[in-house]
Amino acid sequence: GAVVSQHPSRVICKSGTSVKIECRSLDFQATTMFWYRQFPKQSLMLMATSNEGSKATYEQGVEKDKFLINHASLTLSTLTVTSAHPEDSSFYICSARYSPKLTDTQYFGPGTRLTVL
Amino acid sequence: TQLLEQSPQFLSIQEGENLTVYCNSSSVFSSLQWYRQEPGEGPVLLVTVVTGGEVKKLKRLTFQFGDARKDSSLHITAAQPGDTGLYLCAGDSSNTGKLIFGQGTTLQVKP
Repeated sequence: GAVVSQHPSRVICKSGTSVKIECRSLDFQATTMFWYRQFPKQSLMLMATSNEGSKATYEQGVEKDKFLINHASLTLSTLTVTSAHPEDSSFYICSARYSPKLTDTQYFGPGTRLTVL
Repeated sequence: TQLLEQSPQFLSIQEGENLTVYCNSSSVFSSLQWYRQEPGEGPVLLVTVVTGGEVKKLKRLTFQFGDARKDSSLHITAAQPGDTGLYLCAGDSSNTGKLIFGQGTTLQVKP
């Protein structure tokens, strides 16, 4: 299957700082990427849809000024958690939509564990 | 709000037993995907079903999409300890790629 990478895999930061997470599709171009958040022992919750060349669309309840998304190219989307607080500590996972011809599949990155002290 | 109800949420069985996981919704999905997730890792796609009534097999795993495309099931035959993990169903109702995830099923298979 297609490969999606995330960097960093793990980050610990102090409260009030900003953290940037990168999501890359390594062997295909993705016009659409998605960002999810997963709390311990819970399922994935969609945060936002990242579209190459246009503004991201956010799900209800997700602060767009706090979670900045930039889809700079067809293989890279970044999520910046601004002024992070302990309640932002979570597992952040991106996915990239792969849509060659008639198929449509989403491939997920390995996730980024964010801990805010 | 679209919901995808997944059950059971926890399942602990002995090696060799069979099991079925269900995902149900009142919404129609253009596609439904099943993933398996290991702790600290991202979900790995197992299968995508798109046609009502579709049945797909992956070795000992059988996936079924309901005729009305509102529900799906995952059946594992002769479970093995290596099947232990979190299984997630996810549906796309608008063909936009936006997935609604079920709550997940934590499966433990004891040797």
